[in-house]
Amino acid sequence: DAGITQSPRHKVTETGTPVTLRCHQTENHRYMYWYRQDPGHGLRLIHYSYGVKDTDKGEVSDGYSVSRSKTEDFLLTLESATSSQTSVYFCAISRGQTYGYTFGSGTRLTVV
Amino acid sequence: DQQVKQNSPSLSVQEGRISILNCDYTNSMFDYFLWYKKYPAEGPTFLISISSIKDKNEDGRFTVFLNKSAKHLSLHIVPSQPGDSAVYFCAASDTGNQFYFGTGTSLTVIP
Repeated sequence: DAGITQSPRHKVTETGTPVTLRCHQTENHRYMYWYRQDPGHGLRLIHYSYGVKDTDKGEVSDGYSVSRSKTEDFLLTLESATSSQTSVYFCAISRGQTYGYTFGSGTRLTVV
Repeated sequence: DQQVKQNSPSLSVQEGRISILNCDYTNSMFDYFLWYKKYPAEGPTFLISISSIKDKNEDGRFTVFLNKSAKHLSLHIVPSQPGDSAVYFCAASDTGNQFYFGTGTSLTVIP
């Protein structure tokens, strides 16, 4: 589909270690997002970006930081991973009001 | 607090019958509404949308209904097929740039 890829697809890390997830798009969309999906909570917004170096917090941003130095790349960093950050992480790009988001395939992160 | 709610975690329907998935929201400023479908180990995929200027939008077997006064939308799938078995998320936004998602409803279509 859509020219949005996430890496890695799976990661197991230890508590207290830093982790960076990468989202790459090939379509030059301005808005990019990081969501996490957890049972009983659906999809919750962590951070989003509305341009290079322009980012803002979502509803569950504590413990996460993001960076966007190029239009095509949006990085999510867990500075010191905790077990509560075990989740599936989705990156998305916005296609506007009618079509909403296109999501990547997700990164399954396990913090042990 | 959850601004978009899907109160039914799961739904089972016989093949060929109608599936109705429901979604409620609390923010009266929401004007754009989407439904997504998600298979295991994949990202959610866009299914259908509606804006507040309409009360119905149809795309093949999928119809979304919006009742703004009740802050309620529903997705109808007719006829339901086994391949429709997935988790369905509704989402809402006021600007169209940031969408709030419900918790999802897992639909099982029984052959």
